[in-house]
Amino acid sequence: GNSVTQMEGPVTLSEEAFLTINCTYTATGYPSLFWYVQYPGEGLQLLLKATKADDKGSNKGFEATYRKETTSFHLEKGSVQVSDSAVYFCALSYSGGYQKVTFGIGTKLQVIP
Amino acid sequence: GAVVSQHPSRVICKSGTSVKIECRSLDFQATTMFWYRQFPKQSLMLMATSNEGSKATYEQGVEKDKFLINHASLTLSTLTVTSAHPEDSSFYICSATPWGNSYEQYFGPGTRLTVT
Repeated sequence: GNSVTQMEGPVTLSEEAFLTINCTYTATGYPSLFWYVQYPGEGLQLLLKATKADDKGSNKGFEATYRKETTSFHLEKGSVQVSDSAVYFCALSYSGGYQKVTFGIGTKLQVIP
Repeated sequence: GAVVSQHPSRVICKSGTSVKIECRSLDFQATTMFWYRQFPKQSLMLMATSNEGSKATYEQGVEKDKFLINHASLTLSTLTVTSAHPEDSSFYICSATPWGNSYEQYFGPGTRLTVT
């Protein structure tokens, strides 16, 4: 079956530090890959996505590249802010009539001033 | 665009009672809606998938008679937790897939259910 593995948190960084959250996946075929963010007490928001190999998703300074050869989709940001503190979920799904999303466990990011 | 709302955002109910949670797609028609449950410090667990006008498809281990799902229209799905118990306390999140866009799921803000 499909699975998503991401590093467990919490990850604690100082403001303006470089962020990497690792994500690898196991899946057949060519899934789409996503990063979602969940701020405290809120639902999930799509942060970025990539639908095919070598695509780079980017949004709000965050980036992730779909690496099929390493089955990875690591999330990066060059300079984090306190407002980036949240839980980040890596996920995959397939297009088609039944788009079940498989989520990773989530990585909590804490950015301190 | 692509906003999904949930109501209520928080609900407290007594053990043995039933509670209904609504999920609405505000500015698009949703072919499919999903219901997830999130335990503290854990990922989302898919409970069921519903398509408008048809019965929901439940994931293994989810009691369909306890978690009733009604997908009455292309913009509304409801989850009813029947005979709630304290172990049903959780964060419930719905999502919806727009008609014609099979990649995206848009998530609601979630409903915090506390059963006392």
